[in-house]
Amino acid sequence: QQQVKQSPQSLIVQKGGISIINCAYENTAFDYFPWYQQFPGKGPALLIAIRPDVSEKKEGRFTISFNKSAKQFSLHIMDSQPGDSATYFCAAPDTGRRALTFGSGTRLQVQP
Amino acid sequence: KAGVTQTPRYLIKTRGQQVTLSCSPISGHRSVSWYQQTPGQGLQFLFEYFSETQRNKGNFPGRFSGRQFSNSRSEMNVSTLELGDSALYLCASRGTGESPLHFGNGTRLTVT
Repeated sequence: QQQVKQSPQSLIVQKGGISIINCAYENTAFDYFPWYQQFPGKGPALLIAIRPDVSEKKEGRFTISFNKSAKQFSLHIMDSQPGDSATYFCAAPDTGRRALTFGSGTRLQVQP
Repeated sequence: KAGVTQTPRYLIKTRGQQVTLSCSPISGHRSVSWYQQTPGQGLQFLFEYFSETQRNKGNFPGRFSGRQFSNSRSEMNVSTLELGDSALYLCASRGTGESPLHFGNGTRLTVT
């Protein structure tokens, strides 16, 4: 139904730096492509989501870039802060059913 | 608006027992989905309910079942528990049309 590959598996960034996480999906889909942030002991919290007919969406320090032809999308965290240290998941809509296929996650550590 | 609420937060069960997990979606959301999160398999789709009907189902055995009530609240049941069912079970809801999924904080199930 869908395949999603997320990279890198882990990322260490200095405070104030830019964090970039990439995802690639296999099948064209027409629903939202979301990014989730998860802290230990919590559920995934919706961070930002983009429709596939939009190439970029920015909300505060978080930006999604979406390349429909390459079937890739990425999350950019500007001015990364220690409070951003968490695991980030991308997801792509399944084809043929109303569900999400998730990437394997990226553990981000922002050093002070 | 209150978020997705899941109860209980933690459960410890013995192999062979059954368990019921509960979920209250965001007010006004009629679609409720369930996901399983484990370190090895990541986030995997279990099923989705809308207006008390199961619309979509993931690749899990029949021991995993669910239902949705007229007030959109949902329950998930796992029968004949196995050690491998130990996981974080996440409930998510979404509004009408194309809209992102919002997750609760999950129920941590431990099977001994």
